[in-house]
Amino acid sequence: QKEVEQDPGPLSVPEGAIVSLNCTYSNSAFQYFMWYRQYSRKGPELLMYTYSSGNKEDGRFTAQVDKSSKYISLFIRDSQPSDSATYLCAMVATGAGSYQLTFGKGTKLSVIP
Amino acid sequence: GAGVSQSPSNKVTEKGKDVELRCDPISGHTALYWYRQSLGQGLEFLIYFQGNSAPDKSGLPSDRFSAERTGGSVSTLTIQRTQQEDSAVYLCASSLALAGRARDYEQYFGPGTRLTVT
Repeated sequence: QKEVEQDPGPLSVPEGAIVSLNCTYSNSAFQYFMWYRQYSRKGPELLMYTYSSGNKEDGRFTAQVDKSSKYISLFIRDSQPSDSATYLCAMVATGAGSYQLTFGKGTKLSVIP
Repeated sequence: GAGVSQSPSNKVTEKGKDVELRCDPISGHTALYWYRQSLGQGLEFLIYFQGNSAPDKSGLPSDRFSAERTGGSVSTLTIQRTQQEDSAVYLCASSLALAGRARDYEQYFGPGTRLTVT
């Protein structure tokens, strides 16, 4: 079983829809959780991060972490065509002066006008 | 401030040639990472540098790959005797430090170098 699982999609939604992107993980040591957005032919850009269970909101984006289920989500409200990109989850486990950052494979999202 | 920059943005090379890819991290970031991203694939970790410590080379796929970081800033990834399977986008990222604060783990990526081996 991979440490981080993410459905690659592609996911296609109409403009204005609510989008739900998810990752599951198996390593209980993961403490910090991030979402990156990657436009075509660009490097990933950090969208949101959180380090506790619960919700974190930033504009149209909400990151949700459920450590008991080892499940994280990113919700996009009122989705726009400009949200079309690949979304990667990333997780950090720390310990003894080092850390491990693991990325999901990314979900490709298309928002259709 | 300036973000992470990489050069060249595109590189086409013949099989068997050596290539050098350059990364300029964000000023003040002590940690620097190299990743490879093949078409439709996730990010494959290659190597990371933290300050003056010995680099973590555990992700390098073969001894044809090497990297160095001079003066704790600019880094060069070298691929010797390139093969067609080396064709990918090579991404560099930097972060503040390993000081144990949550924001220190946030990695900021450059635009990548698209390498094509013919």
